[in-house]
Amino acid sequence: EAQVTQNPRYLITVTGKKLTVTCSQNMNHEYMSWYRQDPGLGLRQIYYSMNVEVTDKGDVPEGYKVSRKEKRNFPLILESPSPNQTSLYFCASSRLAAQSSYEQYFGPGTRLTVT
Amino acid sequence: AQKITQTQPGMFVQEKEAVTLDCTYDTSDPSYGLFWYKQPSSGEMIFLIYQGSYDQQNATEGRYSLNFQKARKSANLVISASQLGDSAMYFCAMRDDAGKSTFGDGTTLTVKP
Repeated sequence: EAQVTQNPRYLITVTGKKLTVTCSQNMNHEYMSWYRQDPGLGLRQIYYSMNVEVTDKGDVPEGYKVSRKEKRNFPLILESPSPNQTSLYFCASSRLAAQSSYEQYFGPGTRLTVT
Repeated sequence: AQKITQTQPGMFVQEKEAVTLDCTYDTSDPSYGLFWYKQPSSGEMIFLIYQGSYDQQNATEGRYSLNFQKARKSANLVISASQLGDSAMYFCAMRDDAGKSTFGDGTTLTVKP
């Protein structure tokens, strides 16, 4: 089954304790992206990757790191989480083409609470 | 910079009627894609429809159609024959060829029986 998986699905942690949210896709997609969704707001792009070893900042990259060492994986790292990073996080992937003509496939989301 | 504006925080529609969800966008890129996604209360993101910036015809997918007016930079979603299961949050989004992606704040649609 074609899918994007994220782990963990739920996480409660404390300020300053480093954490990693994993994201993996089995569709051989070139493009992967991380978003955060806060109440009343749409999804805001954190980082994205057009291919292995290529990553770029989205609109809200502060406090986050990513890496793309393999095509299928795109982990999101919070080196020193703070309460304002409490949010719902989505990973997504898609094929690439002109006019961005392929839709993104989303993972189920990771609900992170930082106390 | 990209920007997506959805001016309707909430909309109501009677079952079996059509509804239009508004979306305007702003970008300086000539090549981009416009998307609509649905997010039910269960939280997953579901792709509905796509329109390319160079496409001459409006996109359609079953009961969904996209009213694309490039000169006005609008990409409204039309849902025909609304069903109770259409009650959800709807997001308009765009992505450029460099991978930058922007979503609107969403419109909550409620279908009344």
